[in-house]
Amino acid sequence: EDQVTQSPEALRLQEGESSSLNCSYTVSGLRGLFWYRQDPGKGPEFLFTLYSAGEEKEKERLKATLTKKESFLHITAPKPEDSATYLCAVQAGNYGQNFVFGPGTRLSVLP
Amino acid sequence: DGGITQSPKYLFRKEGQNVTLSCEQNLNHDAMYWYRQDPGQGLRLIYYSQIVNDFQKGDIAEGYSVSREKKESFPLTVTSAQKNPTAFYLCASRKGNYGYTFGSGTRLTVV
Repeated sequence: EDQVTQSPEALRLQEGESSSLNCSYTVSGLRGLFWYRQDPGKGPEFLFTLYSAGEEKEKERLKATLTKKESFLHITAPKPEDSATYLCAVQAGNYGQNFVFGPGTRLSVLP
Repeated sequence: DGGITQSPKYLFRKEGQNVTLSCEQNLNHDAMYWYRQDPGQGLRLIYYSQIVNDFQKGDIAEGYSVSREKKESFPLTVTSAQKNPTAFYLCASRKGNYGYTFGSGTRLTVV
């Protein structure tokens, strides 16, 4: 069964304290891995798509990387406005139009 | 600006009542989706539609119904057969092989 897990479940950082979030997946035929940011009471906002192992994408303080088994979302020198839940989703060959979402990591950045 | 509009933002349902959640998009996307989000769980697919007048069941379609009479609109009805409807409902659309664009969500509560 295709699965996506994320760790940690919750993470508290001090402003400026860099860290990484993990997304591990077991799917048949990865077609794409997606990262989203979700603020409380709102819909997820697209961040990155990664398609193949070794690929990296960056946006401001965020950098996403991909291996054959997992993806990391690195947060460098975070600010309080980076506080949100970060969702990972994979699109597998067997699912076509469907994605499998992880439960998310709830990030809190304290000033 | 293009986007997805979900309404209402909050909805209350009485026992035995059907309620309909609205989703409209002006992105000219062909595919539209309904997801349910519960605390601590990944998003779960309820229904999706790739073209007008056609839709498919997702992983948790029981107790829900949809229609796709126009490209822009994909309403979701939560029927009385859905025994645990309290959740955050997200509508999304997608063009080609890109990631989802999500609406801002509807929070449904049973009273």
